[in-house]
Amino acid sequence: AQSVTQLDSQVPVFEEAPVELRCNYSSSVSVYLFWYVQYPNQGLQLLLKYLSGSTLVKGINGFEAEFNKSQTSFHLRKPSVHISDTAEYFCAVSVKTGANNLFFGTGTRLTVIP
Amino acid sequence: DTGVSQNPRHKITKRGQNVTFRCDPISEHNRLYWYRQTLGQGPEFLTYFQNEAQLEKSRLLSDRFSAERPKGSFSTLEIQRTEQGDSAMYLCASRQTSGDTGELFFGEGSRLTVL
Repeated sequence: AQSVTQLDSQVPVFEEAPVELRCNYSSSVSVYLFWYVQYPNQGLQLLLKYLSGSTLVKGINGFEAEFNKSQTSFHLRKPSVHISDTAEYFCAVSVKTGANNLFFGTGTRLTVIP
Repeated sequence: DTGVSQNPRHKITKRGQNVTFRCDPISEHNRLYWYRQTLGQGPEFLTYFQNEAQLEKSRLLSDRFSAERPKGSFSTLEIQRTEQGDSAMYLCASRQTSGDTGELFFGEGSRLTVL
């Protein structure tokens, strides 16, 4: 079975400061890793994904994440946040075969303070 | 707009009533997924279809829930005899299995409130 742990339920950060949102996963098989963002009353939008290859993945809106297999982590980072980054962020994993369902963490609420 | 479309966006109903949600996936996508998201939680998998075949159902999908995708295009999710615990956002997602990148494309969701 797969599981995802997002250690921080809320992260407040000042505008233009860096931010890291943490994600750890557990799986007995190889997985794909994803970060999605959800704005209020909207669906989920893909920020970035790790399928294979380089462990540093760059996504939209200046976000990046690094896959660390030994620590089973996939932390999301941005060097300088904007007010518009205020949203809920979800880390997710999917198994590489079969249904390819996404298993989500409980989310991290990022609030950017002016 | 060629994204995943869901309707209605909001539904308020009284306990015991039946409700139905519709999802129109991206046209070339053969897989369609339903998720449920409650307040403060991440989305939880309910069921998925490959074309018209429902291939997997979560234990969360009680016998009051039924999903269909009759022609392998749009899908419906029906909840019978709604309960207050059914209040949630119901998300639909789709993907194409060829040229697989693992990504699911989500609609904006249908929010259900059961009074």
